[in-house]
Amino acid sequence: NAGVTQTPKFQVLKTGQSMTLQCAQDMNHNSMYWYRQDPGMGLRLIYYSASEGTTDKGEVPNGYNVSRLNKREFSLRLESAAPSQTSVYFCASSEWGGLGGEQYFGPGTRLTVT
Amino acid sequence: GENVEQHPSTLSVQEGDSAVIKCTYSDSASNYFPWYKQELGKGPQLIIDIRSNVGEKKDQRIAVTLNKTAKHFSLHITETQPEDSAVYFCAASNGEYGNKLVFGAGTILRVKS
Repeated sequence: NAGVTQTPKFQVLKTGQSMTLQCAQDMNHNSMYWYRQDPGMGLRLIYYSASEGTTDKGEVPNGYNVSRLNKREFSLRLESAAPSQTSVYFCASSEWGGLGGEQYFGPGTRLTVT
Repeated sequence: GENVEQHPSTLSVQEGDSAVIKCTYSDSASNYFPWYKQELGKGPQLIIDIRSNVGEKKDQRIAVTLNKTAKHFSLHITETQPEDSAVYFCAASNGEYGNKLVFGAGTILRVKS
């Protein structure tokens, strides 16, 4: 099992460009999440999907959109990138969306917006 | 909403010593508290968790304690080893929106050999 995979690993964008971060899991998990990690701020939830066909906003959703393409895949889109979106992005999945389900994280995508 | 504060931000210990990381939370309805370890260049990985109906939980050299009255919980690592060097994150969830976690800012632990 590969677990949670993310592509790309690194990306540099210019302000105003768009891109989609891809995430896939092979653990047959129901719930998936997108976080961003910034120095001194821990991980902050951007969006999550409790189950296939549903998505909900997290703490910091502005400037992002998501698509739960199927049970395996959950993508994060930046429509018009801004320097404030420079961050490391992590995708995670858990077996269910209820309290206490262990979240399994991918290796991250380091995004720089110039 | 929930706010989680974590201290210290960095911690250096000698190999074999103990390390303690503390977190406080603001939402009294929070009832699930996991700890994640992040090694360089990798995603976080769950190392231990505790629910509000338990005051302490141990797993080999790692333990977590919870004080619901004071709204704080702590990670204890005994007999530290160089491979314990990593960033540690605490988190809290009240289950209102399923498995949404609010994370602390992280602690960089360095174990000197």
